[in-house]
Amino acid sequence: AQKITQTQPGMFVQEKEAVTLDCTYDTSDQSYGLFWYKQPSSGEMIFLIYQGSYDEQNATEGRYSLNFQKARKSANLVISASQLGDSAMYFCAMREGGDDKIIFGKGTRLHILP
Amino acid sequence: EAQVTQNPRYLITVTGKKLTVTCSQNMNHEYMSWYRQDPGLGLRQIYYSMNVEVTDKGDVPEGYKVSRKEKRNFPLILESPSPNQTSLYFCASALAGANAYEQYFGPGTRLTVT
Repeated sequence: AQKITQTQPGMFVQEKEAVTLDCTYDTSDQSYGLFWYKQPSSGEMIFLIYQGSYDEQNATEGRYSLNFQKARKSANLVISASQLGDSAMYFCAMREGGDDKIIFGKGTRLHILP
Repeated sequence: EAQVTQNPRYLITVTGKKLTVTCSQNMNHEYMSWYRQDPGLGLRQIYYSMNVEVTDKGDVPEGYKVSRKEKRNFPLILESPSPNQTSLYFCASALAGANAYEQYFGPGTRLTVT
């Protein structure tokens, strides 16, 4: 079974609109971390945001926020006021507390339309 | 400048010819990791290391070896490459423990095995 599921292979969004990229995870650990990375067409991997399983508030970093719903095991990335430069592949990932492995989802390719 | 370097960036080789992809970081990070990225599969962890002389298997370790003799270096070795190891490879590093989520990625190595 997949531990990280990103159900949207691709999305098209109008510039300046908010975007939600879905991510659900599967773990039996109480301690874990969830994070998002961005990969532009140039290929580099850029860390965006992190949420710890014990964090009570949703993480925010500038225009990025992580909508963490623990009971539903979801960790959706929200990008406010999207920009053309947000067009990229986005990966959700998880690190389980009892393990140092990091597991990535298959990614969502986001296209921002002018 | 804090960075992770990988060499070579591009490599075309033939089946069975041993090769090494080097990875080096200058941030004194304990955690280092290798991933491969294939279309539609996201990033999959090959091996990771929590510190010098400590290495562990990720999700797809078959056909790969690693070593961690120095903190800054984490080479990936393909003893007998096969065409199914054609992929984009990323090295990454991070602080240990709970901070391991914010990985710094190298620029990637595109490997083609014919």
